[in-house]
Amino acid sequence: GQNIDQPTEMTATEGAIVQINCTYQTSGFNGLFWYQQHAGEAPTFLSYNVLDGLEEKGRFSSFLSRSKGYSYLLLKELQMKDSASYLCAVKDSNYQLIWGAGTKLIIKP
Amino acid sequence: SAVISQKPSRDICQRGTSLTIQCQVDSQVTMMFWYRQQPGQSLTLIATANQGSEATYESGFVIDKFPISRPNLTFSTLTVSNMSPEDSSIYLCSVGKSDSGHGYTFGSGTRLTVV
Repeated sequence: GQNIDQPTEMTATEGAIVQINCTYQTSGFNGLFWYQQHAGEAPTFLSYNVLDGLEEKGRFSSFLSRSKGYSYLLLKELQMKDSASYLCAVKDSNYQLIWGAGTKLIIKP
Repeated sequence: SAVISQKPSRDICQRGTSLTIQCQVDSQVTMMFWYRQQPGQSLTLIATANQGSEATYESGFVIDKFPISRPNLTFSTLTVSNMSPEDSSIYLCSVGKSDSGHGYTFGSGTRLTVV
């Protein structure tokens, strides 16, 4: 079966750095997405990785290792507004998005 | 990226009734998806809405319960039929290209409560 694992919840301190991991087992791979979802709102697109390596976009970076079925989202200089759920999703061989359960990130002052 | 207008944003409905949710996109898109998200859970794909043909439903979802229309490339509706409290959830439409790395865009969601 297809499976995406990410931690249920993480806590970090304002101004610090946090890494949210995602491991996946899917039938084929056509890219990995990270989304941010604030409580009561729709998910918003953060990043996309299809090749191995690190993609940097401001305070957020995303890393992919296809051979290990592994990705992480790195958030730097954490701000209170970064408190949200972070969803990992993989596009499989049929171009279907397989979603992880999401990681709730709590930022403390 | 596309902009999606989804309505209603929320509704409280009686058991046994039906609710139709609409999504209007500001540009033509090939693929439109309908998701359900229960409290504290991730997204579950209900179906892919195809223009000019029947929607493609995921396991556990059937057309009689969740009929979908897709009359053109900018609009779709999802109806939640014969509702029960278990249907209380957030329903989201989403658009994207199968080969796009630009991500999928979501509507603002419909928060449905069935009483």
